[in-house]
Parts: sequence; structure tokens; C-alpha cells
Amino acid sequence: TQLLEQSPQFLSIQEGENLTVYCNSSSVFSSLQWYRQEPGEGPVLLVTVVTGGEVKKLKRLTFQFGDARKDSSLHITAAQTGDTGLYLCAVYGNKLVFGAGTILRVKS
Amino acid sequence: EPEVTQTPSHQVTQMGQEVILRCVPISNHLYFYWYRQILGQKVEFLVSFYNNEISEKSEIFDDQFSVERPDGSNFTLKIRSTKLEDSAMYFCASSEPPGREAFFGQGTRLTVV
Repeated sequence: TQLLEQSPQFLSIQEGENLTVYCNSSSVFSSLQWYRQEPGEGPVLLVTVVTGGEVKKLKRLTFQFGDARKDSSLHITAAQTGDTGLYLCAVYGNKLVFGAGTILRVKS
Repeated sequence: EPEVTQTPSHQVTQMGQEVILRCVPISNHLYFYWYRQILGQKVEFLVSFYNNEISEKSEIFDDQFSVERPDGSNFTLKIRSTKLEDSAMYFCASSEPPGREAFFGQGTRLTVV
């Protein structure tokens, strides 16, 4: 059983569309991070959410931490081709553990 | 902007050979990590290192693997006798205390033939 379940596994959309990807768990976390990874590169941190119900915005990206701190979502408004990449959620215990990720492809 | 650097970017080795992957973490970070990512699969934790010793390791990190901080700047991952299934991208990362942002290097692509 995976600690973090991400869905969907793969998403292909047209430029300008909105999308939401999810990160779910049965465990409660003190914080959760979202990373973005481009091909041939290491993951890069986008945001850390800490408080249940917290919403953070990063330009067209909106991150939400569930009230119970078990899940999180990432919403992208008006997707651009530059948003293409692998979106990973991750949590710290004694180490940073990643979900399997959502591969996002934005077509022009 | 400070960054984690890894060398080489790509290493091809024959099965059974030893490889050493090198990393220079961000200078004021105290926690160091190795992760691997087999092509098309998830980023998997291998080992964490703090205060000159391993703080945690995964079941992947068996006796064939070792880590070392030979001097004040480098952090290395050694695979003693490589197997075909060791072929993957290996990422080094460093952080201030865990829970803060982990900064990842660009990875070393290891190909075992």
C-alpha cells in the first residue's frame, strides 16, 4: 500500500483548460509538499502546506491541504505548455516520501 | 542561487563493476539524501545522512550500497557490484532540518549494461 496516492496518473489537456490533481492518504501529516519535476531534472519544490484547510496560491496554481491533513489538491487555472511535467506530492517522516506523481501534458 | 551539483551526469558501467556517484550539497545544509528513479517510475528514497552517519535507509539500500562524506563538501554514493536493475536516475538532495525544502541535484543517469 502506497503512503501517498496520486490521481490521475496521467493527464493530457489543451492549453487554456483548468485541471486538478489529487494526493490522498489514510495518514495524517503535519505538512505536505508539492514538487514539480521536468524530464532529466530533479524535483523542485513548489509549496509546503501546513495547516488543515490551508490554501496557497502560486500564480495560476492553487494548493489546498485537506481539513484533516490527510489529503491535498493542486488546481491549475488556464494551463500553459510550460506547465507540462511530473507533479509530485511528498511528506516528511524521518525522510521525504514521494507519491508516484501525476504526469501532466499540456498541448498547444 | 545555491544548488546541489551531481557528477557525472551520465555513467555507463558494466554489470559487476563498482560505481561512485558524486554530489556537492548546498554548503550550509546538514541533511543529505540519495533517491533513485527508475525510468517511468516513482522517486524512491534510498538513504539519509546526518552528522556523518546514516540516519535512515530503505530496503533498497542493501550491502551493495554505501555512502560517504569524505570531506567537507562531497557526498558520495557507491554501488559495489552493479546489477542491471540498478539502472536509474540517482538524485542527491540536501536540506536544513527535515521538513524544510529539500533541494535536489539534476541527477546522474546510471546505465548498467
